Amino acid sequence: DGGITQSPKYLFRKEGQNVTLSCEQNLNHDAMYWYRQDPGQGLRLIYYSQIVNDFQKGDIAEGYSVSREKKESFPLTVTSAQKNPTAFYLCASSIGPGQHNQPQHFGDGTRLSIL
Amino acid sequence: ILNVEQSPQSLHVQEGDSTNFTCSFPSSNFYALHWYRWETAKSPEALFVMTLNGDEKKKGRISATLNTKEGYSYLYIKGSQPEDSATYLCAFDNYGQNFVFGPGTRLSVLP
Repeated sequence: DGGITQSPKYLFRKEGQNVTLSCEQNLNHDAMYWYRQDPGQGLRLIYYSQIVNDFQKGDIAEGYSVSREKKESFPLTVTSAQKNPTAFYLCASSIGPGQHNQPQHFGDGTRLSIL
Repeated sequence: ILNVEQSPQSLHVQEGDSTNFTCSFPSSNFYALHWYRWETAKSPEALFVMTLNGDEKKKGRISATLNTKEGYSYLYIKGSQPEDSATYLCAFDNYGQNFVFGPGTRLSVLP
């Protein structure tokens, strides 16, 4: 079945370490997105990519980095510069830029905690 | 930064009650509005995509309306059931580039 796979489901990080969250999709979607959710808040956009080898900062990109070397993969690295990384991270994909009427499809998320 | 608001933040209803909640968004440069349902321990599920002023969409007991001139959308649930308990998110479609999500409305349906 087509879908979005995020791994791992739970992740623990020591302070000062970088950590990479995986997101893979087999929906043949051009666009991919990373969101962060904190308790009591909505989804906030970290980075998005509308096509391979291109990505844009979202509203809260500081302390994060991404790459889009392959259409199906959009890994997110939480760097040591991110001062409050503990959160729930969701990855999503959609058909492509400029395609309105098309929803985003979501993975099951990764919960990141700082030890 | 575009601002999308939802109200109420949370609500509790009895099984069988009908309920509704609101999503407010910028009324200028409207493109599309999406509604999602997000159950605990699952991924958000797309409910509706609203594009035209006056749109009304329905899926079973859930329906949604859209007013782009005043910048709001309503989501209605008729005869709420415990399985309707979830967080309902709306998202303003920013010209197909990205979405701006509201904070969500958390619905609890008590049996």
